[in-house]
Amino acid sequence: SAVISQKPSRDICQRGTSLTIQCQVDSQVTMMFWYRQQPGQSLTLIATANQGSEATYESGFVIDKFPISRPNLTFSTLTVSNMSPEDSSIYLCSVESGFEQYFGPGTRLTVT
Amino acid sequence: DAKTTQPTSMDCAEGRAANLPCNHSTISGNEYVYWYRQIHSQGPQYIIHGLKNNETNEMASLIITEDRKSSTLILPHATLRDTAVYYCIVRGKTSYDKVIFGPGTSLSVIP
Repeated sequence: SAVISQKPSRDICQRGTSLTIQCQVDSQVTMMFWYRQQPGQSLTLIATANQGSEATYESGFVIDKFPISRPNLTFSTLTVSNMSPEDSSIYLCSVESGFEQYFGPGTRLTVT
Repeated sequence: DAKTTQPTSMDCAEGRAANLPCNHSTISGNEYVYWYRQIHSQGPQYIIHGLKNNETNEMASLIITEDRKSSTLILPHATLRDTAVYYCIVRGKTSYDKVIFGPGTSLSVIP
């Protein structure tokens, strides 16, 4: 199994600003994933982050808006840039371990 | 796009078995059926997965039809804490196979 923590757990931000979300895992993992969950919706995959390579983004998500870092096998960050109210969502970090996927508690972002 | 179809919502009486269906008619031979659930305000939690044989663990049972085009997740004795959104997901079993969520089934366990 894998235990995932995220910081911050929630934040309220003004439009036009940026927020960096941190994801820490208690074990080394190859694949890390970032998801977004808009209010009342299911989860949408933003990107896949492997250590030592650039993140791979899903359709509709771009690096300029959601830059991702993956400096080592236990840590990743997702930045939500130039935020608008439409970015208000829960952002979740996830890792693959033993062919199962584990999720962090999420970061609840509100953009005003 | 999600490869599964689930009912939008279901109710279940506390203490009774909850049977959650999932259709995955386009599943390919090397794809597994995974189930996750998301309790309100928490991250999704892995429940169970299977390929073609029925599977059981401490949380639930997974029944997959012989043609593999549908499956049922069974919570044998539902409790109020089982109230959650349940997601049925079809994916390969390599680290490069993504977990793509559909809308899921909102299960309400009623006292």
